[in-house]
Amino acid sequence: DAGITQSPRHKVTETGTPVTLRCHQTENHRYMYWYRQDPGHGLRLIHYSYGVKDTDKGEVSDGYSVSRSKTEDFLLTLESATSSQTSVYFCAISESGQGGGSPLHFGNGTRLTVT
Amino acid sequence: KNQVEQSPQSLIILEGKNCTLQCNYTVSPFSNLRWYKQDTGRGPVSLTIMTFSENTKSNGRYTATLDADTKQSSLHITASQLSDSASYICVVTLLTGGGNKLTFGTGTQLKVEL
Repeated sequence: DAGITQSPRHKVTETGTPVTLRCHQTENHRYMYWYRQDPGHGLRLIHYSYGVKDTDKGEVSDGYSVSRSKTEDFLLTLESATSSQTSVYFCAISESGQGGGSPLHFGNGTRLTVT
Repeated sequence: KNQVEQSPQSLIILEGKNCTLQCNYTVSPFSNLRWYKQDTGRGPVSLTIMTFSENTKSNGRYTATLDADTKQSSLHITASQLSDSASYICVVTLLTGGGNKLTFGTGTQLKVEL
């Protein structure tokens, strides 16, 4: 497995509380991504990073923010969690940009439940 | 609308048998197509990547084919094993002026039984 660690693996939180998910890589890849996976939907991009302090929005970015202060760490924050953000969140890394010649390597996900 | 449709949604086969999973897409202009395997409780793992000029790509017992004219791809699994039980996801890359965009299918859930 590529060196990607997501933490926590499971979390239950209450509506309205802030939540931060962490992704840590040991591969020194430039690109990092946060996706969410929901039943009936393909994986959807939330935010991505193309370098330290360089981030951009994906297709479902509302209610989420990200930060990348070091190459190896990419944080996803739910500013005020809502039930619609109950999902499985995956971090991914790649050597080239999204859709380039190198594959995405995924972490094993964080299952988040918002009650 | 750019879409990726996979069929069947789910499939059960006996160990040792072959199977073929389908992916139809409307993504255009298209750059490449990928197949991923996702075990329960794990992240997806890349199986193959094909550009629009490639017709077939193999990775062990997995063979992916691509027909860019009909916008169809298939993933053929030979001599299935219990460990092949997983979700198989087709991903198509859309070329855009602002950077590539990946469109994920919802996957085919394969179960291999004794």
